[in-house]
Amino acid sequence: GEDVEQSLFLSVREGDSSVINCTYTDSSSTYLYWYKQEPGAGLQLLTYIFSNMDMKQDQRLTVLLNKKDKHLSLRIADTQTGDSAIYFCAEMRGTSYGKLTFGQGTILTVHP
Amino acid sequence: ETGVTQTPRHLVMGMTNKKSLKCEQHLGHNAMYWYKQSAKKPLELMFVYNFKEQTENNSVPSRFSPECPNSSHLFLHLHTLQPEDSALYLCASSQEAGAGEQYFGPGTRLTVT
Repeated sequence: GEDVEQSLFLSVREGDSSVINCTYTDSSSTYLYWYKQEPGAGLQLLTYIFSNMDMKQDQRLTVLLNKKDKHLSLRIADTQTGDSAIYFCAEMRGTSYGKLTFGQGTILTVHP
Repeated sequence: ETGVTQTPRHLVMGMTNKKSLKCEQHLGHNAMYWYKQSAKKPLELMFVYNFKEQTENNSVPSRFSPECPNSSHLFLHLHTLQPEDSALYLCASSQEAGAGEQYFGPGTRLTVT
């Protein structure tokens, strides 16, 4: 299978929480990232977590990392229509010297 | 200008043309990257430069030729491309390769006719 996997679609109502999930396979991952891509734009770094952490919170964003299960999630509280975008999970492996491995991206659609 | 800029934003070229993509970062970083984003495929790393030296070539065909004259500028020279090379080409930079977050430019949308 793919090195980094994400579900392709997520649809939520405005004001609800969104949870985007990601699984990875390499246990040497050092950093894990979440990027956001809006239509016609490049990737915007949202947040990242170091592999020795299990949680990081940044305003409306909460990242949870389960290193044993190689599972990463991004929770967006009080989701707004402006949060509609593609969200990419990426890992940097300990031996990769800067190479990020990306998932396919999750398309988040927020309905009013 | 701040962050990472890319020019042109859109490019249409024939298979026999030669063109170049330009990336500039204003972040004082020492590593720069080229990525290819195609429909239905994950983002693919193409090249990594660290302190102007190429440290990664991810089995990229020779019709793509990168150039990094200094730590702030990165080019991707294109020649005799194929229609399947049509994609969004993204540039990124970080403090050093393997250290620090990567910041991306807006990309160049390339169409090969």
